[in-house]
Order: sequence, then structure tokens, then C-alpha cells
Amino acid sequence: AQSVSQHNHHVILSEAASLELGCNYSYGGTVNLFWYVQYPGQHLQLLLKYFSGDPLVKGIKGFEAEFIKSKFSFNLRKPSVQWSDTAEYFCAVNANSGGYQKVTFGTGTKLQVIP
Amino acid sequence: DVKVTQSSRYLVKRTGEKVFLECVQDMDHENMFWYRQDPGLGLRLIYFSYDVKMKEKGDIPEGYSVSREKKERFSLILESASTNQTSMYLCASSLGGTGANVLTFGAGSRLTVL
Repeated sequence: AQSVSQHNHHVILSEAASLELGCNYSYGGTVNLFWYVQYPGQHLQLLLKYFSGDPLVKGIKGFEAEFIKSKFSFNLRKPSVQWSDTAEYFCAVNANSGGYQKVTFGTGTKLQVIP
Repeated sequence: DVKVTQSSRYLVKRTGEKVFLECVQDMDHENMFWYRQDPGLGLRLIYFSYDVKMKEKGDIPEGYSVSREKKERFSLILESASTNQTSMYLCASSLGGTGANVLTFGAGSRLTVL
């Protein structure tokens, strides 16, 4: 069975600080990886995804993530956070099993950016 | 834009009541999902469906059932609600197949069981 671990539950940063949120997954086969974001009062939405090719993927709002297969990791990064990045961030893995899509999420990381 | 609509934003029910949560998507997506979201636990998959009348158990199916009679509609049923089912319920849909298909989420249904 697949699983996703997010190590940081609550992160507080000042504006302009750099961000790295950890994500590790457990699954032996082919996976697709995602980061979703939930801004206060809004729907969950996609931040970025990896399915093949370049392991460094870029998403919206200056976010990027690197897939390191040997470490089963997909960490999210942003060089300089803004107050508007305050949100909850979820890592997710889609393991192709049985011919259909099952998406498993991590426990989420709440990011608070202080102006 | 894909739209996923959850019929109820807030519900308050009593222990033992039967609860129906409805979800409709308007983009002909094959896959539909029900998650519950709890603080500190993230999103946990209850059930999903990859076709009409097809359903698969997720990670926490106990106490829940689902129905998918039409492609656009996926219902979550709590046969006898309990207080530990108080939660935010999120419906999502995606294209079919096994690719890196993005989930589109609804606004959520916050259920309180007294």
C-alpha cells in the first residue's frame, strides 16, 4: 500500500525567507507525484505535478519540486515566500494499481508567512 | 473550468441518522473520489469510483458506503452517523486512466454529528 509522509506540520517564516517542505512516499512501483495547496477559505488546487522526465518541476507562483527517486522524496521549494503563500500544502502520490488511479495524500503542512 | 459541486456546505445530524452527501461534476470525468479532511490527519481516502456502478474502498471505508448510478454523480452515505464521523468531506474528480491526472475538488461539506 502506498503512503505519504510530510515531516513539517506547521512552518512559520518571515517574508522573503526560503521555503522547503519535505515529502516522502512509500511505494515500489511507478508513481505520479503532486503538491496541492489550500488557501484559507478556498478549494484545494494543484500547485505542481511530476509524472516523467525532468525531475525538477516548476509550478505556479514560483514554486518548484524535485523528485529524487533514490530517496523516495518530492520536496517543495520556493526561494522567497510572500505573505500570500500562507496556506496548507499537501503532498500526494498516485500509484497506478489495478488499472485505475488511487491518490493518497500526506497529512499536510500549514505554512504561515509573517509580513 | 471543471466544476465539482457538493450539495451541502454545512450539515448537522444526530447520532444514528442516515446521511447522504451528494457530489456532481460537469466535465465528464471518469474518476470520482471521497475524502475526509481532519486537522493533523490530512486527507484520507474513503472510497473512489473509476466508472459508473464501480467502486473501490479507500483507506478508511468503515462506516461509509457510496453510490454511482450516473457518471456525473457520486454519493457518500453514512448509514448510521456517529460522532467520530464529524469532519470535512471533500469530493474530487479526475480524468480516467492511470496517468498523472489532476484532481479537481469541490468546496467541501462540513458535517457535525451530535
